[in-house]
Amino acid sequence: AQSVTQPDIHITVSEGASLELRCNYSYGATPYLFWYVQSPGQGLQLLLKYFSGDTLVQGIKGFEAEFKRSQSSFNLRKPSVHWSDAAEYFCAVGAQGLKAAGNKLTFGGGTRVLVKP
Amino acid sequence: DTEVTQTPKHLVMGMTNKKSLKCEQHMGHRAMYWYKQKAKKPPELMFVYSYEKLSINESVPSRFSPECPNSSLLNLHLHALQPEDSALYLCASSRADDGYTFGSGTRLTVV
Repeated sequence: AQSVTQPDIHITVSEGASLELRCNYSYGATPYLFWYVQSPGQGLQLLLKYFSGDTLVQGIKGFEAEFKRSQSSFNLRKPSVHWSDAAEYFCAVGAQGLKAAGNKLTFGGGTRVLVKP
Repeated sequence: DTEVTQTPKHLVMGMTNKKSLKCEQHMGHRAMYWYKQKAKKPPELMFVYSYEKLSINESVPSRFSPECPNSSLLNLHLHALQPEDSALYLCASSRADDGYTFGSGTRLTVV
């Protein structure tokens, strides 16, 4: 069974400082990995995804993530945080290949990011 | 069109009511999903439709009844809900070589 762990429930960071959110996954094969962001009362917005190839993935809003197979990790980073980055962040894992069209996406518990002025 | 559209955005219903949530996408995605999200929790999968057929039902109570009339539409019919069913209901769609696109959700309150 696939699973995702986000060890940090809350992270507080100063505006302009760097941010790293941790994500560890468990999956029997090569996974699809995603990071989503959710503002209060809103839906989920895709920040970036990893399917294959280059293990450093660039996303929207200046975010990037690195896939490390040996550590089963897919950590999210941003060099300089803006106040608008305050939100809930979810890491998720899904199945690769054609089965992904109709397979479940499993989410981690989420990390709430607070940005101090 | 790269969006998943959900209606209504907010819904308040009594425990004896029947209502429906609607979801629409025109990205040609052949898989569509319903997720339920309680406050301060991650989304939890309810149903998966693949090529208009129900492929996964995560042991959801029968008071929730999904329907996929065609490849662009996904409905969730609600009947005799309980207050604990109050949540944000998210629809998503996907295809094999791409990610999942989520709608903005329907905020459901059962009174």
